[in-house]
Amino acid sequence: QQQVKQSPQSLIVQKGGISIINCAYENTAFDYFPWYQQFPGKGPALLIAIRPDVSEKKEGRFTISFNKSAKQFSLHIMDSQPGDSATYFCAASGSGGSYIPTFGRGTSLIVHP
Amino acid sequence: GAVVSQHPSRVICKSGTSVKIECRSLDFQATTMFWYRQFPKQSLMLMATSNEGSKATYEQGVEKDKFLINHASLTLSTLTVTSAHPEDSSFYICSARAQGAGSFFGQGTRLTVV
Repeated sequence: QQQVKQSPQSLIVQKGGISIINCAYENTAFDYFPWYQQFPGKGPALLIAIRPDVSEKKEGRFTISFNKSAKQFSLHIMDSQPGDSATYFCAASGSGGSYIPTFGRGTSLIVHP
Repeated sequence: GAVVSQHPSRVICKSGTSVKIECRSLDFQATTMFWYRQFPKQSLMLMATSNEGSKATYEQGVEKDKFLINHASLTLSTLTVTSAHPEDSSFYICSARAQGAGSFFGQGTRLTVV
């Protein structure tokens, strides 16, 4: 059972465009939702994270939108740059029995110059 | 952000030998460390969860006698791949979880067994 569903699997965007990646979760015990960026041959790096008490969090060109009732959250990359080309993973975790992070399957983003 | 150091970044070993991978949290105490295996163009596959001072909890299908995990302190966990075979070749990644925060990943270790 996949507890975090991520889409799309791959995404191609022109430089300067907006990249949008979506995730949906099932476990209502999740209370921490991070996004990770991974370049080839490297470990994932924490990009931005949100907790359910807010609906949006922005850090530079990266924004997380969170919809608690729909159990969905998304990553928006504004003014996408070729250097943003990477694989992005969403994740969800909580406390107690759900403290182990559950990852989405990843989205391969390519930003064309 | 928190720093997790993983070594080595690459290792080539002969079939039948053992390889140890270290994962250290440099500027925080990790209540829990995770070990993942990642196949090309796929997501992270959790292998085991380890808490300092206790035995690791392995995911279904992961051989605990082959993948030995030791979490001796709040800043160090090691994964030893014993009697490695070519099918064990993969990208192994650790992550460390700080109290009340998320997980931070190491740089990963590319293991090649020849």
